Amino acid sequence: DAGVTQSPTHLIKTRGQQVTLRCSPKSGHDTVSWYQQALGQGPQFIFQYYEEEERQRGNFPDRFSGHQFPNYSSELNVNALLLGDSALYLCASSHRGGNQPQHFGDGTRLSIL
Amino acid sequence: AQKVTQAQTEISVVEKEDVTLDCVYETRDTTYYLFWYKQPPSGELVFLIRRNSFDEQNEISGRYSWNFQKSTSSFNFTITASQVVDSAVYFCALSEARVGASGTYKYIFGTGTRLKVLA
Repeated sequence: DAGVTQSPTHLIKTRGQQVTLRCSPKSGHDTVSWYQQALGQGPQFIFQYYEEEERQRGNFPDRFSGHQFPNYSSELNVNALLLGDSALYLCASSHRGGNQPQHFGDGTRLSIL
Repeated sequence: AQKVTQAQTEISVVEKEDVTLDCVYETRDTTYYLFWYKQPPSGELVFLIRRNSFDEQNEISGRYSWNFQKSTSSFNFTITASQVVDSAVYFCALSEARVGASGTYKYIFGTGTRLKVLA
């Protein structure tokens, strides 16, 4: 039973560029959440997708956008990258409609030069 | 506002010692959920426990135990007879139910406690 998978594992970009991160949820899960974890900090909620729509959003600018596909996989897009966007980006999946624990992937480490 | 505080930034213990990780939360909701996750160096957050706001029973799972006290808004985590493999960053998280059709949840994490267990 595959867990949450994220790609790529590492990514290096320069300021002003755009990036797309990908996530495949755990089998049987239909809800995907994205978190940003800066070094030495706890994960910060970016947004959550269910039924291909953004359902909740944290305190992140519009440069951060996402998408969910019919197969429940998801993408996180970040435009006009800033140095401060350097972080570990975690994807979590769960089943909608309850307090089911979110299952996390290994994350994508994004470095901005 | 919702908030999770883990005041202990880093704890070092010698193997076989017991250690308690503190978690204090703030919320105005009456229905909420509390979680503990472990993050090893690989980065993946590993789910350890979930507790809902109506269940204040303490829980024990092997060497792990959790003490939930609503009166002090705390959800502390104790590892008994610690082992080197317990070395990781531990996060406490709060999840509130979002009122609405989607009924989805977001997690609010603390800043984590780095536990180092020395052989």
